[in-house]
Amino acid sequence: GENVEQHPSTLSVQEGDSAVIKCTYSDSASNYFPWYKQELGKGPQLIIDIRSNVGEKKDQRIAVTLNKTAKHFSLHITETQPEDSAVYFCAARRAQKLVFGQGTRLTINP
Amino acid sequence: DAMVIQNPRYQVTQFGKPVTLSCSQTLNHNVMYWYQQKSSQAPKLLFHYYDKDFNNEADTPDNFQSRRPNTSFCFLDIRSPGLGDAAMYLCATSRGGGARGEYEQYFGPGTRLTVT
Repeated sequence: GENVEQHPSTLSVQEGDSAVIKCTYSDSASNYFPWYKQELGKGPQLIIDIRSNVGEKKDQRIAVTLNKTAKHFSLHITETQPEDSAVYFCAARRAQKLVFGQGTRLTINP
Repeated sequence: DAMVIQNPRYQVTQFGKPVTLSCSQTLNHNVMYWYQQKSSQAPKLLFHYYDKDFNNEADTPDNFQSRRPNTSFCFLDIRSPGLGDAAMYLCATSRGGGARGEYEQYFGPGTRLTVT
């Protein structure tokens, strides 16, 4: 089955700097890769996703890149703000199911 | 706004006392999921419905059951909650089908279950 590894588990950056979170997956048949942001006590919120026929996608300060050959994908957040502090999960999807990475706790220091 | 709704947001039950959590959606999505999430961990899929077809994960305990009476509603029943079942329970929905099934999945706010 699919296995998703996510790094780092914790990340602390200065406000205004960039943050990068990386994930690798094992199943070459996975074709959809979403990123979720989860704030304390809330459900995961979909923030950006990428499909296997695309190499990069950007939405304002957030971008995701996908390298199908290497089976890894990354989340890039630029000009970080305090409200970006949360836990971020990557996931890989095959058929109807998502497999999640272990999560990254991102802290933005003012 | 179309959304995924979970009730209640907080539920306290006693050890061994059956409890039901509910989820409703206004997205008209084919697929509904139930996840268990413990502190500092990723969501763990318990089961999902594709329309009326129930799909159980191999490692989901028999103590957990689910019902989907119609497209909009799905319930999670925990027949005899143990202390280890205390967690956040998340409902999610997705469109089914598609050439490669690559539709977005949206989560509800979750129900925090406490077992005393």
